[in-house]
Amino acid sequence: SQQGEEDPQALSIQEGENATMNCSYKTSINNLQWYRQNSGRGLVHLILIRSNEREKHSGRLRVTLDTSKKSSSLLITASRAADTASYFCATDDGSNYQLIWGAGTKLIIKP
Amino acid sequence: ETGVTQSPTHLIKTRGQQVTLRCSSQSGHNTVSWYQQALGQGPQFIFQYYREEENGRGNFPPRFSGLQFPNYSSELNVNALELDDSALYLCASSWGPGRMNTEAFFGQGTRLTVV
Repeated sequence: SQQGEEDPQALSIQEGENATMNCSYKTSINNLQWYRQNSGRGLVHLILIRSNEREKHSGRLRVTLDTSKKSSSLLITASRAADTASYFCATDDGSNYQLIWGAGTKLIIKP
Repeated sequence: ETGVTQSPTHLIKTRGQQVTLRCSSQSGHNTVSWYQQALGQGPQFIFQYYREEENGRGNFPPRFSGLQFPNYSSELNVNALELDDSALYLCASSWGPGRMNTEAFFGQGTRLTVV
């Protein structure tokens, strides 16, 4: 079963614009992570935000977490063609031994 | 590059056959998790191994089995392959007593096609 749901399913923007993706989840979590996947290959860890954190930054990435709404957002600023990929949010399931994933947002950056 | 390597990268098997997929974890990591990702979907947790013992299992039948070796590398075995087993199989290594409160490092995956 999937815990997270990303929104939108697909997003196409011009290079240089900002991209925002959202993730909602169902149960209490200890942390939430965002990953990037290029062309159906391996997943690359982007950022982890703990349940007691509200916002985190890493380079051009900004992640927010609202545990009252059970939602998170990933903002990519000044997008580049290389940012074209699928983006997934993943949460722990409370037992901490597995990650539960959404179906992802497919981001396309047009040059 | 994450330091996690999976082999083979692609595989085609016939329905009913058995397959073994391999994963070498990142140096220093003692936990390996396996995930199945169908096309257009997010990964689904299969199971996790910590110090050579299965530490947790997702909703997969017993024909999905695994091993972890003393060097923390791991194998995923699937018996009696079905067409629905066609997917990308991902291995992730991490440090900790089976806890996913730190980032996981993924390999590039094995693309399995069952015909």
